[in-house]
Amino acid sequence: GIQVEQSPPDLILQEGANSTLRCNFSDSVNNLQWFHQNPWGQLINLFYIPSGTKQNGRLSATTVATERYSLLYISSSQTTDSGVYFCAVPRYGNNRLAFGKGNQVVVIP
Amino acid sequence: DAGITQSPRHKVTETGTPVTLRCHQTENHRYMYWYRQDPGHGLRLIHYSYGVKDTDKGEVSDGYSVSRSKTEDFLLTLESATSSQTSVYFCASQGGATNEKLFFGSGTQLSVL
Repeated sequence: GIQVEQSPPDLILQEGANSTLRCNFSDSVNNLQWFHQNPWGQLINLFYIPSGTKQNGRLSATTVATERYSLLYISSSQTTDSGVYFCAVPRYGNNRLAFGKGNQVVVIP
Repeated sequence: DAGITQSPRHKVTETGTPVTLRCHQTENHRYMYWYRQDPGHGLRLIHYSYGVKDTDKGEVSDGYSVSRSKTEDFLLTLESATSSQTSVYFCASQGGATNEKLFFGSGTQLSVL
C-alpha cells in the first residue's frame, strides 16, 4: 500500500517563528488531508488539499500531486500551535485514509 | 467541526471481558470509521462503514467487530478484551462523497488490565 512519510518528526519553535512541515507519499493521490492533534488529544481537520494551495489563518498548505508531496506552513507560531500534525492519504480507495507518523511541534513562549 | 460523540470517554476493564464503544454523529454522514492510536504506530484503521449495515475491515481488525444499524450510530465491540487492545480509540465520519473532510470524535481511552 501507499507509504506516507512526514518530516521533521520533532520540531521546537520559538513563539513567533515560521516553520514548514513536509509530507511525502509514494503513489499518486486525489485526497490528502492535514490534521492537528492538540496536547489534549483532540484531532482537528485543518485542510482537505489534494492539489494546489489553501490558507486558513496563519496556516497554509500546498500539495504538489505530480511530485507526491505536501507542505504545511505555520507562520508566526503561537503556543496553541503545539501538538502533532498528521497528513493522511487514501490507502485503499478514497474513503480509507492512511496516516503518517506525524510531526511533533512544540512552541516555546 | 462535525458533531461526533464517543462514549465512554474512559474505560478500564479486565482481560477477557466484552467491551462496546459507541460513536454517534449528527451530520448524516455516510461514512464512519474506527481508528486506534498507539505510540510508535500512529493512527490505524480498525473497521469502517459505508452505509447502514455495510461495514468492512481495516488494517488491524482482528479481535474487533462493528455494527451500524442506523446512519448516526457506529459501535465497536471487543469480544474478549486483551491487554494489547489498550489504546485510544477514535471514531471519525465523512460526508456523502469520499473526497470530503474527515472529522474525528474526542476519543476513548481504554485500558485492559
